Amino acid sequence: KAGVTQTPRYLIKTRGQQVTLSCSPISGHRSVSWYQQTPGQGLQFLFEYFSETQRNKGNFPGRFSGRQFSNSRSEMNVSTLELGDSALYLCASSITGQGGTTNEKLFFGSGTQLSVL
Amino acid sequence: SQQGEEDPQALSIQEGENATMNCSYKTSINNLQWYRQNSGRGLVHLILIRSNEREKHSGRLRVTLDTSKKSSSLLITASRAADTASYFCAHPVGRRALTFGSGTRLQVQP
Repeated sequence: KAGVTQTPRYLIKTRGQQVTLSCSPISGHRSVSWYQQTPGQGLQFLFEYFSETQRNKGNFPGRFSGRQFSNSRSEMNVSTLELGDSALYLCASSITGQGGTTNEKLFFGSGTQLSVL
Repeated sequence: SQQGEEDPQALSIQEGENATMNCSYKTSINNLQWYRQNSGRGLVHLILIRSNEREKHSGRLRVTLDTSKKSSSLLITASRAADTASYFCAHPVGRRALTFGSGTRLQVQP
C-alpha cells in the first residue's frame, strides 16, 4: 500500500496570503488528522476528520480550517497567514480501533514545510 | 493540549551502546505510544503500550510504563547510526487526538 502523501513538500508564502495543503491517506483509512510542528511549541493537534466530518479540533484560531472529501483525501487551509504560522504541517491517517478510537497508531506523511515571509 | 516532558532533550552515544529516553505525562491514560522522526520528515509509529502493561518489547526496542509515576521509558539496545532521529512519546486525548512530548534528539556516532 502507498503511504500517506502530502503535497506540496515546501511552500513559501507572504503574510496575509492564504494556503491550501493536501493529504491523501493510506487506502482504507477513513480518519485523517492534522498536526502542526514548530521548534517552540512542538507537535500540536489541529483537527481530525472522519467520513467528511470534522470530529475534533485543537486550540487554533478560525483561520485554520480543513475539509475531507468522499475518497478520504483531506485539505487544510490557512487564511491571512502570519509569520508564526511557519511550521511543518503533518497529516496522519489511521483506522478505527476498539471503541471507535482513531488515535492508536497514526501513519504520518512527510509533511509540508510552510515558510511565511 | 498539554505536552508531556521528555528527557534528555538530546543524547549522543556511540554505535553499539544502549540509548534510554524518558517520558512523563500529566493525565490518566489508556495507552502510551512512541514515534520516531528523521530530520524534517514525518513520524513513524514504533510501539504502543497499554495502561495495563508494564513492559513491551519490539525487536531492539523495550518500553516500560509506570502509571503510578506517570512515566514511560524507551530503551534502544545496540544502537546503530541509522537510529539517529528524534523520538517522541504520545498519549491519547479523548478518542481522536494525540498529545506529544517535547522529544529527545538521539545522535548515534558511527
